[in-house]
Amino acid sequence: QKEVEQDPGPLSVPEGAIVSLNCTYSNSAFQYFMWYRQYSRKGPELLMYTYSSGNKEDGRFTAQVDKSSKYISLFIRDSQPSDSATYLCAMSGEDTGRRALTFGSGTRLQVQP
Amino acid sequence: DSGVTQTPKHLITATGQRVTLRCSPRSGDLSVYWYQQSLDQGLQFLIQYYNGEERAKGNILERFSAQQFPDLHSELNLSSLELGDSALYFCASSVTGEPNYGYTFGSGTRLTVV
Repeated sequence: QKEVEQDPGPLSVPEGAIVSLNCTYSNSAFQYFMWYRQYSRKGPELLMYTYSSGNKEDGRFTAQVDKSSKYISLFIRDSQPSDSATYLCAMSGEDTGRRALTFGSGTRLQVQP
Repeated sequence: DSGVTQTPKHLITATGQRVTLRCSPRSGDLSVYWYQQSLDQGLQFLIQYYNGEERAKGNILERFSAQQFPDLHSELNLSSLELGDSALYFCASSVTGEPNYGYTFGSGTRLTVV
């Protein structure tokens, strides 16, 4: 079983829909949580960063962390065709024994005009 | 432009050959991470360097090696290439040696082994 699980999709939604992307993880020592967006054939781009549990909002994007359930989410409001990309969750923590980010496998999102 | 520069963008080579991928980190970043991304494996951490020293190793094969030079650029050497080594190779950089605030990726080198 992978340490970070993410549904690969593809997830297809109409323009303007609210999108929910999720990851589950098994290592309770993870404390730092990130979402990256990756367009086809490009490098991942950091979208959102959160520490520990709670919510963080940035424009149309909201990141949620529920450490008790080991579950993180990214919500995209008023989705646009330009949001079509693969979204990767990533996480780290001082006591994980990891010196690098651990990534989910990514969810491919398609926003239909 | 993320500020992390990777060259070349594309590389096609034959099995058994050796290639070198190059990465220049963002100005001011001391740490360089190398990742391999294939369709079935996702982003796999290979190795990290911090200010010229190896800091952490991931799932890096013995046929692969890397180094970081005094000017902080890094090279990833892949030898005795196999078809299964075909993948996107990303370099990322960060200011510190810890990943906890995320890091910035380059646009990658697409390696095709034929």
